[in-house]
Amino acid sequence: AQSVSQHNHHVILSEAASLELGCNYSYGGTVNLFWYVQYPGQHLQLLLKYFSGDPLVKGIKGFEAEFIKSKFSFNLRKPSVQWSDTAEYFCAVKKNRDDKIIFGKGTRLHILP
Amino acid sequence: EPEVTQTPSHQVTQMGQEVILRCVPISNHLYFYWYRQILGQKVEFLVSFYNNEISEKSEIFDDQFSVERPDGSNFTLKIRSTKLEDSAMYFCASSVQGGSNTGELFFGEGSRLTVL
Repeated sequence: AQSVSQHNHHVILSEAASLELGCNYSYGGTVNLFWYVQYPGQHLQLLLKYFSGDPLVKGIKGFEAEFIKSKFSFNLRKPSVQWSDTAEYFCAVKKNRDDKIIFGKGTRLHILP
Repeated sequence: EPEVTQTPSHQVTQMGQEVILRCVPISNHLYFYWYRQILGQKVEFLVSFYNNEISEKSEIFDDQFSVERPDGSNFTLKIRSTKLEDSAMYFCASSVQGGSNTGELFFGEGSRLTVL
C-alpha cells in the first residue's frame, strides 16, 4: 500500500538554525508531492508542491524541498528558521490519477527563541 | 481570501448518537474531501466526492459514515452511531480539479469530535 514516512516526529531547534525534515514515500509510479503546515490553532496550509519539472521547488516563507526520484524522497529545508516556524509539518503524496492525497504522520517543529 | 469553513468547531456526543459535521467548500471548487486525525496520529483520508457521488473511499469509511451535498454549498459528513474510536479531528477539504489535474487541497480548520 502507498505510504508516506516522516522520520522525525519532534524536532527542536534554535532560531537561525538550518532545518531539514525528511519525507519518503513508497509508491513507484508518477506522484505529486506536497508539504503542508499547521500552525497552532490553525488549519492545514500548503507550503509547497511538486508536480513536474525542476525537482527543487520553492515555497512560501523561505521553505524549499527537493524531489529525489531515486531515493523516493521529498525533504523539506529552510536555511534559517524563525520562532514563527513553530508548527506541525506534513508531507503528502498523490498518485497521478488519484483525487486524494495521503499524509505522513507529521513532524512537530519547535523553535526556541 | 476564500476559505473552507467547518461547523461545529467542537462537538461532544454520547456513544451511539448520530453526528453531522458540516463544511462549506470554496465556491468554485468541484472536488470535496473528508480527512480525520486521531490525536497523536496521522491525517487519514476518509472519502472524496465529485459530481454528487463518492469518487473514492478508504477502509475507514464504513457503513456508519455517509456524505452528502444537500444543496449547492454544504458538504456534510454523517456518522450514524458514533463509537469511542470515532473521536478525532475531522478536516474537510476542497479542490478545483481532481485526478491528474489535482492541485492544492484547501483545508478547513477542522471539527473536533469527542465521543463519550
